[in-house]
Amino acid sequence: DQQVKQNSPSLSVQEGRISILNCDYTNSMFDYFLWYKKYPAEGPTFLISISSIKDKNEDGRFTVFLNKSAKHLSLHIVPSQPGDSAVYFCAAREETSGSRLTFGEGTQLTVNP
Amino acid sequence: KAGVTQTPRYLIKTRGQQVTLSCSPISGHRSVSWYQQTPGQGLQFLFEYFSETQRNKGNFPGRFSGRQFSNSRSEMNVSTLELGDSALYLCASSFSDSSYNSPLHFGNGTRLTVT
Repeated sequence: DQQVKQNSPSLSVQEGRISILNCDYTNSMFDYFLWYKKYPAEGPTFLISISSIKDKNEDGRFTVFLNKSAKHLSLHIVPSQPGDSAVYFCAAREETSGSRLTFGEGTQLTVNP
Repeated sequence: KAGVTQTPRYLIKTRGQQVTLSCSPISGHRSVSWYQQTPGQGLQFLFEYFSETQRNKGNFPGRFSGRQFSNSRSEMNVSTLELGDSALYLCASSFSDSSYNSPLHFGNGTRLTVT
């Protein structure tokens, strides 16, 4: 039972353009959502998060949008840079589950110069 | 501030042996979680410790265990290793006050290979 799904295994964009990574979830008890970036041989690096009481959160080039009715969130990166090339994971947490996160399968983003 | 530190970075063990992995959280963080990453199953939650108590447990067999010390450092142990235990084991820490959301910060992991 995959409660968090990232349907696109890979995404390729040109430097300077927008990257949009998508994530869907099925568990309506999720109340906190996070995006992580991961390079090979390193641990995931926290990027940005959003609480279920909000529909948008912005941090520099990164913006996360949450659509609770559609159980969908997306990460926008503007402008994309070659250094953004990595695997991006969406994760979600239930209010009562402490620090237990449920992760999506990841999307490999490649930003071409 | 130093990040999450995991030791060792790489381990090679033989089936049937046991292994202990170590994690030092970010200073001030009281919650430590462990995750397993494999190509087939992705990132899966093992367990979480908070103030030396296991607060949450994932769907892994009893061969996987952990503990947390009074300084918040944590160890996880896998006994009777199986080939399928080969994975990247990631430790994450967070402030984890239940009154607000705090992100998890991950270490670089321990790559365990079971032969």
